[in-house]
Amino acid sequence: EVQLVESGGGLVQPGRSLRLSCAASGFTFDDYAMHWVRQAPGKGLEWVSGISWNSGSIGYADSVKGRFTISRDNAKNSLYLQMNSLRAEDTALYYCAKAGVEDAFDIWGQGTMVTVSS
Amino acid sequence: EIVLTQSPATLSLSPGERATLSCRASQSVSSYLAWYQQKPGQAPRLLIYDASNRATGIPARFSGSGSGTDFTLTISSLEPEDFAVYYCQQRSNWQYTFGQGTKLEIK
Repeated sequence: EVQLVESGGGLVQPGRSLRLSCAASGFTFDDYAMHWVRQAPGKGLEWVSGISWNSGSIGYADSVKGRFTISRDNAKNSLYLQMNSLRAEDTALYYCAKAGVEDAFDIWGQGTMVTVSS
Repeated sequence: EIVLTQSPATLSLSPGERATLSCRASQSVSSYLAWYQQKPGQAPRLLIYDASNRATGIPARFSGSGSGTDFTLTISSLEPEDFAVYYCQQRSNWQYTFGQGTKLEIK
């Protein structure tokens, strides 16, 4: 079964850091680009960051550039998001997603919740 | 940044009716447009990629069209399970954006 499972979310104070993980199974992880997408409570979807299969291409949304770092470990079938200098507006459910045909996001995890609050 | 504007924000229809959802891009995205469906408490689900191609397992009542800046998602005859929020998404040089969503609700 193709599956993505996020972990690492939680309650964190403003200015602190958190690292999210996404464990992939059921497909050849190192064949595909991967992404992080977030959704603030009651709001729409916001793309956060993406990374190519070999980490050669990386992109970030302007809202997180310079604070978040995406990475992957193909040997461990895992995707990561290092989040530094967290702000209240980073509070959201964070999904990892696999990029499939024509780079559309064809597989999604169930998300991990990040709450930034003092 | 390419901005995607979806309309209407809310669409109220009855089962069996035809739904037409619109997505307009602030500049051309060629055919690099996808549509997703999201139900409450669930992750989004890919419906359409490359503007008009149905994803695996998506019923034929869902269709997409358009290119450049104007795109449409059509649901030919609404089933009860189709009432949800729909998002369009574009990709351009490792920058991706979603539209704000259209909520399809039961009339």
